[in-house]
Amino acid sequence: DAGVIQSPRHEVTEMGQEVTLRCKPISGHDYLFWYRQTMMRGLELLIYFNNNVPIDDSGMPEDRFSAKMPNASFSTLKIQPSEPRDSAVYFCASGQGVSGANVLTFGAGSRLTVL
Amino acid sequence: GEDVEQSLFLSVREGDSSVINCTYTDSSSTYLYWYKQEPGAGLQLLTYIFSNMDMKQDQRLTVLLNKKDKHLSLRIADTQTGDSAIYFCAERGNYGQNFVFGPGTRLSVLP
Repeated sequence: DAGVIQSPRHEVTEMGQEVTLRCKPISGHDYLFWYRQTMMRGLELLIYFNNNVPIDDSGMPEDRFSAKMPNASFSTLKIQPSEPRDSAVYFCASGQGVSGANVLTFGAGSRLTVL
Repeated sequence: GEDVEQSLFLSVREGDSSVINCTYTDSSSTYLYWYKQEPGAGLQLLTYIFSNMDMKQDQRLTVLLNKKDKHLSLRIADTQTGDSAIYFCAERGNYGQNFVFGPGTRLSVLP
């Protein structure tokens, strides 16, 4: 398996523009997580899905952020309009099952810079 | 709410042992994890321990868990320059998928 695949790896955009980050989880994993990492706030959980259904979106900063998972092999995180304070590395992670260790596997991340 | 704390920096000499410490607050945590993040990369699982265990060893890595004090440590024997990275402690309760990560400890290995 190629692991969790995220795109783009780097994105530079201007304030006010729409940003879409994409994630392909590991096949067979039924949990998908979106995290944001910054120097100031560390690793923050934004939202997670189980079987394509959003379970907890309490970490989504505000209405400018939205996430979808139309099928088991694809998820998007959209920021519209983007602001400089959204600059961060966004990670997608997937995991399997509720019982047991349910190890998370992370993607390489998407580094977003909003000018 | 749940909280996970770690010291932010650790420097060791190549060949020495490194010990990275972590404390957590959620007494219902059932699994505790150590992840490694190298520059420009995602988090990579190193090891995990179930809460009814005191110790787990995997090659150069030893995890110690003191459940009474809610203290977790990661010992890396014979630390190499390739071990330089940020190490994250994380915990998860028995239900749900609320993984709580610590701030990460940046390990620097000096030649």
